Amino acid sequence: SAVISQKPSRDICQRGTSLTIQCQVDSQVTMMFWYRQQPGQSLTLIATANQGSEATYESGFVIDKFPISRPNLTFSTLTVSNMSPEDSSIYLCSALQGSSTDTQYFGPGTRLTVL
Amino acid sequence: SQQGEEDPQALSIQEGENATMNCSYKTSINNLQWYRQNSGRGLVHLILIRSNEREKHSGRLRVTLDTSKKSSSLLITASRAADTASYFCATGGRGANNLFFGTGTRLTVIP
Repeated sequence: SAVISQKPSRDICQRGTSLTIQCQVDSQVTMMFWYRQQPGQSLTLIATANQGSEATYESGFVIDKFPISRPNLTFSTLTVSNMSPEDSSIYLCSALQGSSTDTQYFGPGTRLTVL
Repeated sequence: SQQGEEDPQALSIQEGENATMNCSYKTSINNLQWYRQNSGRGLVHLILIRSNEREKHSGRLRVTLDTSKKSSSLLITASRAADTASYFCATGGRGANNLFFGTGTRLTVIP
């Protein structure tokens, strides 16, 4: 199994600022993903973080708002840019070690509050 | 949308009772996974069932999968107060590596 850590665990930010969230996996993984969970809601996929290339974004999410990096097989960052209160959510990264038929592991999440 | 639906949305039971949660989904899947989330924290993986499996057990957990009805159920036997959490089903679709999550069931186990 993969152990995933995220930093920061939580943050309170001012409107208009940006926050970068880091995700570190303890072993090499084939794929990494970023999800958002709005208050009281389920998880929605933001993007797939591709190693060495641009992330693949889901409908409704754009690179200018959520730039993502994945410089190697164990690390990724998600930036929430020009934040507004509507961005207040839990952001979770996940990792897949094998194929799509395998278990997907999740980090502990980053709880973001935008004032 | 490929998001699944779970019912009930909320379930409250006494400690020692069994809890059953149901999940329905819309598309063909490779697998279905169940997760637990405590108080808005990270997701803990509980169990994965593949599309060619019908039932799977892990400790006090029993998961069934009916691909003809596009549904799954999670049974927690002999519940404990520590089982209080939100439970999500998530499907891995054919041709997709990411997961599509259900709406979740909020389980409360009363001591």
